[in-house]
Amino acid sequence: SYELTQPPSVSVSPGQTASLTCSGDKLGDKYACWYQQKPGQSPVLVIYQDNRRPSGIPDRFSGSNSGNTATLTISGTQAMDEADYYCQAWDSDTVVFGGGTNLTVL
Amino acid sequence: QVQLVQSGAEVKKPGSSVKVSCKASGGTFSTYAITWVRQAPGQGLEWMGGIIPVFGAVDYAQKFQGRVTITADKSTSTAYMELSSLGSADTAVYYCARGEIYSGYEYYFDYWGQGTLVTVSS
Repeated sequence: SYELTQPPSVSVSPGQTASLTCSGDKLGDKYACWYQQKPGQSPVLVIYQDNRRPSGIPDRFSGSNSGNTATLTISGTQAMDEADYYCQAWDSDTVVFGGGTNLTVL
Repeated sequence: QVQLVQSGAEVKKPGSSVKVSCKASGGTFSTYAITWVRQAPGQGLEWMGGIIPVFGAVDYAQKFQGRVTITADKSTSTAYMELSSLGSADTAVYYCARGEIYSGYEYYFDYWGQGTLVTVSS
């Protein structure tokens, strides 16, 4: 079965750029999405179709997807961005989630 | 404004079934997908399956095949997820999410319900 791999944790200083990766075989041939989840809350879509941002999502969130890796980039990271981030793609009519990355802003 | 409102928390005995509802408002129900995702305590997101009411199409994750049933009532804009033969490993928060279809049967999840905690305990 298809797998998406994310680093368990990433740390970033406030104001710096955070790059969260998601790896899968030929992931660049698929569309990748990213979801943000804060403790005790439902997930929120932050990037869809590789690099599109839903309305209401700050433009400091951006995405890319090429080769075997999709990347969520958060520019000028703020304390409020501290959360778990999950990548997601479709493979053979099945939704696949990555294991999630815990982003710490410190 | 799109809202997905789920039914309340449940406590179930091992071997029993649970049925969770998800009522949608603020959009055209049948032209979107509704998907179900669960999250065990301290764990990641796990897709269970989804339904596209306008196509009458239902997909299930292989792991849950034969144990989960997803349905939708277009007249009330409500989707349901029923999971049978519950075990302790099914203790989790169950989310519904609306799927915006972009290609064939693929969609991204743009709105989520508040989650329903299902606890399986004897």
